[in-house]
Amino acid sequence: KAGVTQTPRYLIKTRGQQVTLSCSPISGHRSVSWYQQTPGQGLQFLFEYFSETQRNKGNFPGRFSGRQFSNSRSEMNVSTLELGDSALYLCASEQGVGTEAFFGQGTRLTVV
Amino acid sequence: AQTVTQSQPEMSVQEAETVTLSCTYDTSESDYYLFWYKQPPSRQMILVIRQEAYKQQNATENRFSVNFQKAAKSFSLKISDSQLGDAAMYFCAYRSAMATNKLIFGTGTLLAVQP
Repeated sequence: KAGVTQTPRYLIKTRGQQVTLSCSPISGHRSVSWYQQTPGQGLQFLFEYFSETQRNKGNFPGRFSGRQFSNSRSEMNVSTLELGDSALYLCASEQGVGTEAFFGQGTRLTVV
Repeated sequence: AQTVTQSQPEMSVQEAETVTLSCTYDTSESDYYLFWYKQPPSRQMILVIRQEAYKQQNATENRFSVNFQKAAKSFSLKISDSQLGDAAMYFCAYRSAMATNKLIFGTGTLLAVQP
C-alpha cells in the first residue's frame, strides 16, 4: 500500500509569490490534515479536511487556504508569501476520525 | 485551549540502556487521546505509541511503554534497551475525542543514543 505522498519535496519561492502544495493520502483515507513545522513555532495545525469539507482550521492568516478533492487528494495554497512562511509543511492522512494518522515526508518551502 | 509541554529539549542515552521522556498536558476535556511520535532525520513522523484517556492501563509497544497519569496530566515515554535507530526527535501530542483529527504537539525532545 502506498504511503502519503507530498509534492514537491522542496520548493524555493520569492516573497510575494504564491505557492501550492499537494498531498495524496493513502488509498481509502478520507481525512487529510496539514501542519506547519518551524524551529521557532514547532508543529502547528493548519487545517483538517474530511470528505471534501474543512472541519477545522488553525490560527493562521487568510493567506493560507486549502481544499480537498473528491478523490481525497488535498492541496494547500499560500498567497503573498512572506519570509516567515519558510517551513516544513506536513500532511497527515487518516481513514476516518480518531484513527491513526500517517504522515508524508513533507514539503520544505524556502521563501527568499 | 489544550496545551502540551515537553520540558526536555535534549536527552542522551547509552545503547542498551533505558530512557524516559517527559510530557505534560493541559485540558478540561475528560475524553482524549495521547500520542508519542518519532521524527528521524528523514522528517517523516512515525507513530510510536497511543493511549486512550479512558483506559487506565498504560500502553506498551515492544520496547516502548508509557506512564499515563491522568490526574497529574502526565504522559511519559519509556524506551527500554535503546538502539542507535531510536535516535530522533520525539513529539508528544494530544487529540480531543470530539470528532476531530487535529493534533496538538509539544515542542519535542531530541534523543541521542551513544554507542
